[in-house]
Amino acid sequence: EVQLVQSGAEVKKPGESLKISCKGSGHSFSSQWIAWVRQMPGKGLEWMGIIYPGDSDTRYSPSFQGQVTISADKSISTAYLQWSSLKASDTAMYYCASGYSYGYHWFDPWGQGTLVTVSS
Amino acid sequence: QSALTQPASVSGSRGQSIAISCTGTSSDIGFYKFVSWYQQLPGKAPKLMMYEVSNRPSGVSNRFSGSKSGNTASLTISGLQAEDEADYYCSSYTTSSSVIFGGGTKLTVL
Repeated sequence: EVQLVQSGAEVKKPGESLKISCKGSGHSFSSQWIAWVRQMPGKGLEWMGIIYPGDSDTRYSPSFQGQVTISADKSISTAYLQWSSLKASDTAMYYCASGYSYGYHWFDPWGQGTLVTVSS
Repeated sequence: QSALTQPASVSGSRGQSIAISCTGTSSDIGFYKFVSWYQQLPGKAPKLMMYEVSNRPSGVSNRFSGSKSGNTASLTISGLQAEDEADYYCSSYTTSSSVIFGGGTKLTVL
């Protein structure tokens, strides 16, 4: 069974850097698109961007371009979402979700989420 | 790129049917058949309920159905049950090779 397992909750201060992870198992990770989705407290889902681990083809939502970096290490079936300088407004739950080999028109399954709290 | 438009809330009694609408533009819902729907229970990750407008993933009840007309898609839930109470999000692929979600609809089962 396909599964995505995300890294644990993080508490950071503004200005700090952070890299969270999403590890895939049970399928050919390299050939599945992996997306990152933000959900701010009490708010809806926002698509941040996506990566194809096989060749690291990466696409960003215009709203998140330049704000985060998406990467992957196919050798360990893991995708990453990274910030170089966190802001309080980055406080949110972040989900990774799997597309499929030839596209990313829908996402299944999803990781359990990583809660990121940024506070001074 | 604005979010797809969904009603903030809908409600229905047990056993009844409800429909949740999702309105986009000619650059997303109106252009592709790639509309999907997700159910999010409180404190849980989203779960895929419908893909390519009207296809149910394995394990999803046939009480859930989807449709699309022009720039608007809909998710219909028939025979409402208490366990259907959740937030529902629509999503569409776009002509910019990105994905856009709706603002979400809170379903209350009375």
